[in-house]
Amino acid sequence: DAGVIQSPRHEVTEMGQEVTLRCKPISGHDYLFWYRQTMMRGLELLIYFNNNVPIDDSGMPEDRFSAKMPNASFSTLKIQPSEPRDSAVYFCASRAWGGKTQYFGPGTRLLVL
Amino acid sequence: QKEVEQNSGPLSVPEGAIASLNCTYSDRGSQSFFWYRQYSGKSPELIMSIYSNGDKEDGRFTAQLNKASQYVSLLIRDSQPSDSATYLCAVKKDNAGNMLTFGGGTRLMVKP
Repeated sequence: DAGVIQSPRHEVTEMGQEVTLRCKPISGHDYLFWYRQTMMRGLELLIYFNNNVPIDDSGMPEDRFSAKMPNASFSTLKIQPSEPRDSAVYFCASRAWGGKTQYFGPGTRLLVL
Repeated sequence: QKEVEQNSGPLSVPEGAIASLNCTYSDRGSQSFFWYRQYSGKSPELIMSIYSNGDKEDGRFTAQLNKASQYVSLLIRDSQPSDSATYLCAVKKDNAGNMLTFGGGTRLMVKP
């Protein structure tokens, strides 16, 4: 299995631009998680899905952030408009039903200038 | 008070020594505990999980859980330079569905 796939791996954009991060979970996994990691705040859960349905989005920082999962093999995290404080590494992770291990993707390193 | 606390380090140990990493958590309802290793510039990977009080051993790694003291630790025996990484403690509450809360991580440096 290829593991969790994320794209792009690096993104540099200017403040005010829309940013879309993409994730393909491991085939057959029912749960998908979006995390953000910064030096100051560590690794934070933003939102997670079960069978394509958003279950908890309490970690989404504000309305500028939105996430979708249109099918079992694809999810997006969108930031519109982006701000410099959104600069971070964004990880997607997936987990099988009944499994204990979350498998993380390689992350997208976002820099907002 | 953070929900999951770790000393940020760096913790420096000589090669071959035992590295001891500690984590405390605030919610007594927490039921599942995990240790992730994260190399610089890489993603976290699970190395140990523990659910009941006591010790759990896996190769050179031992996880220890004390729910009464709300404390979980990771021991790495015969530390190797390749163990140099940041170790993240993660906690799952009983009623938190599938959500994990991560500590800030402890950076471990194993010196040859």
